[in-house]
Amino acid sequence: NAGVTQTPKFQVLKTGQSMTLQCAQDMNHNSMYWYRQDPGMGLRLIYYSASEGTTDKGEVPNGYNVSRLNKREFSLRLESAAPSQTSVYFCASSLTPSYNEQFFGPGTRLTVL
Amino acid sequence: AQTVTQSQPEMSVQEAETVTLSCTYDTSESDYYLFWYKQPPSRQMILVIRQEAYKQQNATENRFSVNFQKAAKSFSLKISDSQLGDAAMYFCAYRRHGSGNTGKLIFGQGTTLQVKP
Repeated sequence: NAGVTQTPKFQVLKTGQSMTLQCAQDMNHNSMYWYRQDPGMGLRLIYYSASEGTTDKGEVPNGYNVSRLNKREFSLRLESAAPSQTSVYFCASSLTPSYNEQFFGPGTRLTVL
Repeated sequence: AQTVTQSQPEMSVQEAETVTLSCTYDTSESDYYLFWYKQPPSRQMILVIRQEAYKQQNATENRFSVNFQKAAKSFSLKISDSQLGDAAMYFCAYRRHGSGNTGKLIFGQGTTLQVKP
């Protein structure tokens, strides 16, 4: 069991470039989440998918799009990267939204120059 | 809207001693969960302990325990017999329970814990 995996681990972009962060889980979880972590602000929810086929905005969705490709995979896309999107991005999953624990991936450190 | 506040950006403790990390939260809901997550330098988020709001008994997990004061909206983490491996950033988090729950975790700002040998 790999748990939650994320690719890439590190990425440097120039302003205006696009990229997709990939996330996959092998725990047969229904719910998946994308958070960003910034110094002094904890983690904030960007988008989530309560179940396959559904996606919804979280607290800070501007500048991002997501795709729930199938039950295992949930990708986060930056269409035109901005320096304000420099952050560490975490994908997480849980069996259901009400399940007691979310399992986190190792994170992606993204720098936008 | 719910908020979580950790007012101690940094704490330090001597190895084998006890330390308490503070967390307060604001909510108008009565049914929710509270969590403490640990983030070591590897960046991996690890669940340390959770508390259901409807339970009066404080949760414990080995050397980790909480002091849950529902009326005061306070949720502190006590680490006993601190070890070098406890050095990490600790996040307090809130999650709504019941109808309308999306699974969204609301995190505090984090507290960096240093353990001195």
